[in-house]
Formats: sequence, structure tokens, C-alpha cells
Amino acid sequence: KNQVEQSPQSLIILEGKNCTLQCNYTVSPFSNLRWYKQDTGRGPVSLTIMTFSENTKSNGRYTATLDADTKQSSLHITASQLSDSASYICVVSDINTGKLIFGQGTTLQVKP
Amino acid sequence: SAVISQKPSRDICQRGTSLTIQCQVDSQVTMMFWYRQQPGQSLTLIATANQGSEATYESGFVIDKFPISRPNLTFSTLTVSNLSPEDSSIYLCSVEVMGFATEAFFGQGTRLTVV
Repeated sequence: KNQVEQSPQSLIILEGKNCTLQCNYTVSPFSNLRWYKQDTGRGPVSLTIMTFSENTKSNGRYTATLDADTKQSSLHITASQLSDSASYICVVSDINTGKLIFGQGTTLQVKP
Repeated sequence: SAVISQKPSRDICQRGTSLTIQCQVDSQVTMMFWYRQQPGQSLTLIATANQGSEATYESGFVIDKFPISRPNLTFSTLTVSNLSPEDSSIYLCSVEVMGFATEAFFGQGTRLTVV
């Protein structure tokens, strides 16, 4: 079973709208949780990194939240732009192995 | 931060041949990581490359199929050998930079298609 589950698998929204992507994980204990944006044909680029003690982290129009008790994280995108069309990947760092555990990603398409 | 130059960005290869992917980092790093991303799937770690020692492979990946070189602290290559259509995938190299929180940086990826 994947230790990092993301939902929805894909999402289509209109330009200017907000959206929220979900990430549930079972990795425990973990050192940090990350959200990456991966454009088609490119490598993932970091959006936010949160340690287990942080609840929220913002990067421009991107805001990530973390609830370590329920093992849930979300990525909220405000006032979406066409350039936000990409895959968004939730990644948890396993403190025991030091390895990164990747979710399968949510593919977001922003339409004009 | 770290800037990673990975090449080629894409290639189409015949069955039975091999492809070598290069990864150059703009700073010295102890470990470099090689990942595979199959269509619609998450990233899977292939191996960790340390300078001066053999790479450490994850379960399901073997050195004969994925030989790795790490000649210095800024460069690594991954070879995908004896190609089959099942090897069609995106291959990415990555490094981690220590800071307040360890952050991973990725190359642009190599999209391999085996025909």
C-alpha cells in the first residue's frame, strides 16, 4: 500500500478559481512533508517544505497545511493561472530511512 | 539551492541497446539519487550514488541493468542497459541540500522511449 495517497487524481478548474489538493500519509515518524510542482517534461520543483511541527507554509499563491495528528496535508492554490497547470506531488521524508516517499500526484488543468 | 543539468532530455532507443544519462550539479554534493517515473506513477528511487564507492540499489533494481558512475562530487551517470519497452519511462537525478529543512532538487528528467 502506498504510504502517501493523494486526491483527487486529476482536477480541472477555470482560471481565477481556487482549488485544494489533498495528501494523506502513513509514514511515521517523518522529518518533513513537501509539495512539488512538476510541469510536463520537467523535473519536480519545490513549492513548500514543512517540518512535523509546522502547521502552514505559504509560497505566493500556494499555501500548504499540515495536520500531523490526522496525518493529512493540503495544498491550496489561490486565484489559479494557466501556468498552474501541472502535476502536484506530495512527498514525505521518512525519518528512519532518510528516504523520500512520493505520492502519485494530482494533475491540475487550468482552463481559460 | 542546486542547479542540475541533466541530458539528454529525451531519446528514442532500439530494444537491446543502452542509454546513458548524465547529470551535472553546480555544487559539490555527497549523494546523488536516481529515480524512475513511469507513466502516471510516482517517483521510485533506483539507487543512491556516492562518490568513491559503489551505488546503493533499491529492491527491484540491479547494477547489471542500471550501472551508475560517480567519478566526482558534481557528476553522475546512469546507464539503462539491454533496453526493453518496459524501460520506457522518465528518469530523474536528484540531490539534497541541507538547510533549515533538507530540500531536494531535481534535474529536468530524461524521457526514454524504447521501440
